[in-house]
Amino acid sequence: DVKVTQSSRYLVKRTGEKVFLECVQDMDHENMFWYRQDPGLGLRLIYFSYDVKMKEKGDIPEGYSVSREKKERFSLILESASTNQTSMYLCASSYDSGEKLFFGSGTQLSVL
Amino acid sequence: GQNIDQPTEMTATEGAIVQINCTYQTSGFNGLFWYQQHAGEAPTFLSYNVLDGLEEKGRFSSFLSRSKGYSYLLLKELQMKDSASYLCATLGGSTLGRLYFGRGTQLTVWP
Repeated sequence: DVKVTQSSRYLVKRTGEKVFLECVQDMDHENMFWYRQDPGLGLRLIYFSYDVKMKEKGDIPEGYSVSREKKERFSLILESASTNQTSMYLCASSYDSGEKLFFGSGTQLSVL
Repeated sequence: GQNIDQPTEMTATEGAIVQINCTYQTSGFNGLFWYQQHAGEAPTFLSYNVLDGLEEKGRFSSFLSRSKGYSYLLLKELQMKDSASYLCATLGGSTLGRLYFGRGTQLTVWP
């Protein structure tokens, strides 16, 4: 089975801190995605990547950046955390474009 | 752009049948996914339709009409464990193949 692992299940940070969310997949998938999920808003795409060192903006990239130095790892970075970034963050991967997504368990981030 | 619409909430009783509808308007379309998400857990894949018609998989079936921009997920013989959020997602028309998600339908199954 494909495994997508997110480094933290719960995270509490302070406003202005730099925050790193890590995601690792073990099935050699080409594509990786970062979503945030908020009540009533559904899943919104932040950034995605189709290859090592490649990145594309999603619908809500402001305040975020990403890094994909290795194929299996995709990191989401909050340069200066703000309270409106309190959310559930979900990482996903897929073998190829158009293939189904496999999701990690999510990181519930609270910014105080 | 992409516009995906599905009901916010639905309720049903154990053993019943429920149909969750999804309508979409997209600038490009390469298929439609349904995901299930239990509270506090990650979404898991249920079905994928790219051609018109009904795809059956056990108690769950998914239907697609591309000309009408319409899909539904049919759940039969409902069980308590089917209480979850059901997410409709379209596969975009660009070569990058990203998914666009609806806001999800929260299904509650009562005994």
